[in-house]
Amino acid sequence: KNQVEQSPQSLIILEGKNCTLQCNYTVSPFSNLRWYKQDTGRGPVSLTIMTFSENTKSNGRYTATLDADTKQSSLHITASQLSDSASYICVVSAQAAGNKLTFGGGTRVLVKP
Amino acid sequence: DTAVSQTPKYLVTQMGNDKSIKCEQNLGHDTMYWYKQDSKKFLKIMFSYNNKELIINETVPNRFSPKSPDKAHLNLHINSLELGDSAVYFCASSQEGNSNTEAFFGQGTRLTVV
Repeated sequence: KNQVEQSPQSLIILEGKNCTLQCNYTVSPFSNLRWYKQDTGRGPVSLTIMTFSENTKSNGRYTATLDADTKQSSLHITASQLSDSASYICVVSAQAAGNKLTFGGGTRVLVKP
Repeated sequence: DTAVSQTPKYLVTQMGNDKSIKCEQNLGHDTMYWYKQDSKKFLKIMFSYNNKELIINETVPNRFSPKSPDKAHLNLHINSLELGDSAVYFCASSQEGNSNTEAFFGQGTRLTVV
């Protein structure tokens, strides 16, 4: 069964600090992995997308890594800001009809001043 | 311009009622989805439509019936609403066949069944 697991479930960090979120998946055959940011009351918005051959990708202060061998990904937030408070969701796409997406449970990040 | 729009944003209704949620995308995508986000914030796919045809139908009660009049619309009709149907429902769209495509999500519809 295709699964995506994220850790930690939630974390609190001080403004200006860095943090790293983890994502492990068992989706097969793998197509791509995306990190989404979901602000409270809003729909998820894509931050990064990585295919099998990509190891790292950055989007501003967000840097995602992918190890397709161990089926692990991480999202690193540098110099956190209050606006980074949100849920971060790891989504893995399988090579199947409809590009079926499997969602992780998300990590809720709270940045405090 | 809103890429994926769904209405209403909030819906409060009594058990047993029938309700519909509408979704429209102006991105020219050929695939649309409905997701349910429960109280634990897990997003689970319910349906996927490609070019108006049902592609994915996860284990969802048959009280839920999606309808796609055209590629740009995917509406969700729910019969005989139950308390457990309370959740946030997200519509999304993407372009199939492009492995790098992303799914664009609507703002969500918060359904509360009382």
